[in-house]
Amino acid sequence: DIQMTQSPSSVSASVGDRVTITCRASQDISNWLAWYQQRPGKAPKLLIYAASNLQNGVPSRFSGGGSGTDFTLTISSLQPEDFATYRCQQANSPPYTFGQGTNVEIK
Amino acid sequence: QVQPVQSGAEVKKPGASVRVSCKASGITFSDYYIHWVRQAPGQGLEWMGYIRPKSRGPYYAQKFQGRVTMTRDTSTSTVYMELSSLGYDDTAVYYCARDGYNLGRPYLDYWGQGTLVTVSS
Repeated sequence: DIQMTQSPSSVSASVGDRVTITCRASQDISNWLAWYQQRPGKAPKLLIYAASNLQNGVPSRFSGGGSGTDFTLTISSLQPEDFATYRCQQANSPPYTFGQGTNVEIK
Repeated sequence: QVQPVQSGAEVKKPGASVRVSCKASGITFSDYYIHWVRQAPGQGLEWMGYIRPKSRGPYYAQKFQGRVTMTRDTSTSTVYMELSSLGYDDTAVYYCARDGYNLGRPYLDYWGQGTLVTVSS
């Protein structure tokens, strides 16, 4: 199975800050990567697909990058509704594994 | 609200089976792959498998093969996931989700609200 490792596991930030989360795959997954946001008690929400494509309806302050084994999710200017857990998922080969999550907390 | 609607919470004894349903509401289901993902309390997300569109059958993660069955009723736009031989570590919220780009890859754009399955003696 492909292992997905996110860093950091948590980050404290203020409204307006720029936040970058990284995700590393244990083998080359090309650009087969998605990013999800999950709030407590809620289902995940698709933010980014194919590593860098913004899902319809997602604010442009979210962006994704990378290919191969190293990927990033950047929030350019953190908003109050962005405090949540973010998870990457590889879509290269089954089982489609997730990262352990990065908790974005209010500073 | 545009969201698949899942069946309600279940409490099951060890060794029993559970069936969770997922019905399209406001979105098209029949032409899309539908994936199942679970989340144990306070834990991460675990992909279980998918069912292909137009009754072309399922694909299961190896971990669940022999224990999981995913089916589709096209007449009611409902997908089902049945998990057998339940153990305590199957306690989780089970989600269905639509593969929005229909690649068989999990770019999951619409998620159900989740169904809590509790395994308890």
